Amino acid sequence: EMLLVESGGGLVQPGGSLRLSCAASGFSLRTYAMDWVRQAPGKGLQWISYISFSDDTTHYADSVKGRFTISRDNAKNSVYLQMNSLTEDDTARYFCARDAVGGLSLWGHGTLVTVSS
Amino acid sequence: EIVLTQFPATLSLSPGERATLSCRASQSVSNYLAWYQHKPGQAPRLLIYDASNRATGIPVRFSGSGSGTDFTLTISSLEPEDFAVYYCQQRANWPPYTFGQGTKLEIK
Repeated sequence: EMLLVESGGGLVQPGGSLRLSCAASGFSLRTYAMDWVRQAPGKGLQWISYISFSDDTTHYADSVKGRFTISRDNAKNSVYLQMNSLTEDDTARYFCARDAVGGLSLWGHGTLVTVSS
Repeated sequence: EIVLTQFPATLSLSPGERATLSCRASQSVSNYLAWYQHKPGQAPRLLIYDASNRATGIPVRFSGSGSGTDFTLTISSLEPEDFAVYYCQQRANWPPYTFGQGTKLEIK
């Protein structure tokens, strides 16, 4: 079974940092681009970051540009999201997703990030 | 940035009925539109890609149509497990990928 499992969420104070991980099983990440998408409480889905399969291209939503960094380790079959300078607006469930032709073809269940003092 | 508007915001129907969900783009996205289903506490699931292609394992009761700025997701006969929130997403002009605000399909 192909799975994505996110981890690393938790409670952090404003201005703090967290590093999210997304581990793939049942398939190899190395041939796929990957994305992070978040959902704030009571809100819809918001795309926040992309990394190409070759790791040479990254993109970010304006709301996180300069604060978040996406990376990958194909040897560990994992993708990461380093989040710095967190604000309460970053409170959300964070999903990683496999980027295939046409759509985000596989998602994890997400990890919850709460930014609060 | 392309804005996607979904309507209705909430759709109340009974099992066995036909559901029609709409998504309108602020400018043409050609056929680069996907639909997702999301249930509380679960991973979102890709239903339709490139406006009209069913993703792997998606039942035939789900169909997508449209191009340019107007798109429709149709569920021909609702099953109990179909009640969820549905999102459209454009992939024509990115970054950013953008999602619609969602349509909640609820049991009447």
